Amino acid sequence: ETGVTQSPTHLIKTRGQQVTLRCSSQSGHNTVSWYQQALGQGPQFIFQYYREEENGRGNFPPRFSGLQFPNYSSELNVNALELDDSALYLCASSLAGYGYTFGSGTRLTVV
Amino acid sequence: AQRVTQPEKLLSVFKGAPVELKCNYSYSGSPELFWYVQYSRQRLQLLLRHISRESIKGFTADLNKGETSFHLKKPFAQEEDSAMYYCALRPPFGNEKLTFGTGTRLTIIP
Repeated sequence: ETGVTQSPTHLIKTRGQQVTLRCSSQSGHNTVSWYQQALGQGPQFIFQYYREEENGRGNFPPRFSGLQFPNYSSELNVNALELDDSALYLCASSLAGYGYTFGSGTRLTVV
Repeated sequence: AQRVTQPEKLLSVFKGAPVELKCNYSYSGSPELFWYVQYSRQRLQLLLRHISRESIKGFTADLNKGETSFHLKKPFAQEEDSAMYYCALRPPFGNEKLTFGTGTRLTIIP
């Protein structure tokens, strides 16, 4: 059984650029959530996908968007990057709420 | 609005001493509560959830609805307990959003 895999592990982007982060869910999981973890903070919920549809969103602007694919893998897209977007982005998958499995995260640095 | 507060950013405890990591929450209703742990260079992982009422790695957590607290306890600290601990809350049904506290870094002194 594979766990949650995120790519890339590290990324440096320039302010104003766009970025796509990827997540492969744990086998058998149909729900994926994305979290942003700034330095010294706990993870903050961005949004969640269940069976390819967004079914929950946190307090993040529309330039944060996502997709979930038929194989339940997922992407997080961020447009018009700002310096404050620098953070660790975590993906977590679950089977309808029975425990989350987290990935190791993507460390995004915006310069 | 739901909120989780972990008042201690850092906590140092001697090996063999009792450990208590504090967590208070704000939620109008009966949420699900969790403790997550992140060991050095490892991913975030579930330690325990209140509905399971189990002890994991010697840790227990009791939900106190009157005080809206979910403190994590262990009677005798071990060096391998050194890690970052996050308390988290989730509404009881439907939306699976987790609300995390800011975390407590626990260091066990040999």
